[in-house]
Amino acid sequence: NAGVTQTPKFRVLKTGQSMTLLCAQDMNHEYMYWYRQDPGMGLRLIHYSVGEGTTAKGEVPDGYNVSRLKKQNFLLGLESAAPSQTSVYFCASSYRREVTYEQYFGPGTRLTVT
Amino acid sequence: AQSVTQLDSQVPVFEEAPVELRCNYSSSVSVYLFWYVQYPNQGLQLLLKYLSGSTLVKGINGFEAEFNKSQTSFHLRKPSVHISDTAEYFCAVSSNAGGTSYGKLTFGQGTILTVHP
Repeated sequence: NAGVTQTPKFRVLKTGQSMTLLCAQDMNHEYMYWYRQDPGMGLRLIHYSVGEGTTAKGEVPDGYNVSRLKKQNFLLGLESAAPSQTSVYFCASSYRREVTYEQYFGPGTRLTVT
Repeated sequence: AQSVTQLDSQVPVFEEAPVELRCNYSSSVSVYLFWYVQYPNQGLQLLLKYLSGSTLVKGINGFEAEFNKSQTSFHLRKPSVHISDTAEYFCAVSSNAGGTSYGKLTFGQGTILTVHP
């Protein structure tokens, strides 16, 4: 099992450009999440999905869109990148185990917007 | 709503010394508690979790944490650290109120543990 993979690993964008980050999981997990990590702020939830075809907003959704057309994939889109979106982006997937959900994280995508 | 505060942004320590990384949380509902570790240029890995029962929880790599409900704390400890424990550590909470939390995590700011030889 590859677990959770993210594509690309690094990207540099100019302000106003668009891009899509791909997250893929091969564990048949129902739930998927996108977080951003900024120094001194920990990880913050951008969007999440509780199943194929569903998405919901997290703590910091502005400037991002997501889609979950297939159960194994969760896409994060930036329509018009801004320098404030320079960050490391982590995808995670989870399943319900006991009374909670155990999340598995991908290796991250480092995005720089100039 | 929940929030998590990690009281130390950086903790330097010498090899084989004990260490404690502090985590306080606030929440209007009951929560589950987690500690994650992030090694340089990698994703996050679960160290341990508290769901219910014994307030002392043991995790991987010799780490343990104690849940203190009255002080709303979940401090992480290791009696003797190794160079390989150098990493960033994140405390996180998830609501256990009903079935609508979907495992969403609220993270603290992170604590960078640096182990010196």
